[in-house]
Amino acid sequence: KQEVTQIPAALSVPEGENLVLNCSFTDSAIYNLQWFRQDPGKGLTSLLLIQSSQREQTSGRLNASLDKSSGRSTLYIAASQPGDSATYLCAVGDGSASKIIFGSGTRLSIRP
Amino acid sequence: EAGVAQSPRYKIIEKRQSVAFWCNPISGHATLYWYQQILGQGPKLLIQFQNNGVVDDSQLPKDRFSAERLKGVDSTLKIQPAKLEDSAVYLCASSLDPTSVPTQYFGPGTRLLVL
Repeated sequence: KQEVTQIPAALSVPEGENLVLNCSFTDSAIYNLQWFRQDPGKGLTSLLLIQSSQREQTSGRLNASLDKSSGRSTLYIAASQPGDSATYLCAVGDGSASKIIFGSGTRLSIRP
Repeated sequence: EAGVAQSPRYKIIEKRQSVAFWCNPISGHATLYWYQQILGQGPKLLIQFQNNGVVDDSQLPKDRFSAERLKGVDSTLKIQPAKLEDSAVYLCASSLDPTSVPTQYFGPGTRLLVL
């Protein structure tokens, strides 16, 4: 059974710092991996999607990497801003493109 | 383009009562998902529809939860009777074609509190 773990559960850093969020999964036979952002009282927004054949994806200040063999992914946020404060969720496509298993998320707080 | 709509946004009920949630996906999206997100956890898939057919309902507690998507567009999720542990945010998502474009678009969710 696929399990997705995100550590730490919460992180607080000062504005301007670069930071890395971690995600690990137990079964390397994934279809894809996504990083989502969730703001309080709102739904999830997909940030980056990495297909199983890819190693990384970039969007603006965000870079996500995928190492299937070790069962790990990282989300790198450059030059963090207070507006980046949110919960970041990692999710793997498990057996198909449509079935995704979520981690519990990392709650990120950027201090001005 | 309008996003995924859900109503109500908040609901408070007592245990053993029934409750229903409504979801209207993005126009043209054939696949619709209902997730349950308990506080501090990631969303867990309850049921997935492809048009008006069920693709996966393996994690739906069928003794108390039911869902339908009669015309292949909007959907309702019902809980009857509710238990305390059903307190959660219920998220609806839709996707155009999960095999070619796997991105799921999420609605704002319905926050349920069972007392």
